[in-house]
Amino acid sequence: GAVVSQHPSWVICKSGTSVKIECRSLDFQATTMFWYRQFPKQSLMLMATSNEGSKATYEQGVEKDKFLINHASLTLSTLTVTSAHPEDSSFYICSARGTGGGLPQHFGDGTRLSIL
Amino acid sequence: AQTVTQSQPEMSVQEAETVTLSCTYDTSENNYYLFWYKQPPSRQMILVIRQEAYKQQNATENRFSVNFQKAAKSFSLKISDSQLGDTAMYFCAFMRQGGSEKLVFGKGTKLTVNP
Repeated sequence: GAVVSQHPSWVICKSGTSVKIECRSLDFQATTMFWYRQFPKQSLMLMATSNEGSKATYEQGVEKDKFLINHASLTLSTLTVTSAHPEDSSFYICSARGTGGGLPQHFGDGTRLSIL
Repeated sequence: AQTVTQSQPEMSVQEAETVTLSCTYDTSENNYYLFWYKQPPSRQMILVIRQEAYKQQNATENRFSVNFQKAAKSFSLKISDSQLGDTAMYFCAFMRQGGSEKLVFGKGTKLTVNP
């Protein structure tokens, strides 16, 4: 149980394009989803928290217009990196948490984004 | 704000032996949860073990156990009978009860199990 699917797993695109990453909870309803960014050999940095049907809450220093997050249903959240540039290249990971308090987050397999 | 500190960037252990990974945290909260996550080379984040702060009993999951010292704000992970598949990055994480319940991660410890 508690499977989170993230797609795509790897994407390479040209500078200036927008890239959408999907995060789906397959066997539970995710009231809250989280988006992280991870640089090589570093820890996970929380970018934003999204709750179904409401606007995402971004962490300090994360550009809202750059990283668009949509959580339209209880099983799907998307992260769109707009007008991507090489400095946006990174590993992006989503996680989802079900209803009820104190439940652990379940992570997707991550997306490796490379901007040329 | 909460902080999580993992003071051992890298550790190694021989197969079948026991290793302990350290984690300390700083918080003014009384109700919270602590986690250990494993990230193998595949980069998938895998939940290893979870501890509720209100429980005095240390959590155990097969070969994995924790030593939770609430007063000292310490949460170490012990891996017994280490296996080659335990080779991974290990992240300690804190989650405040209530609110958004977002995770605060430590910087991680890279564990290598040697044959």
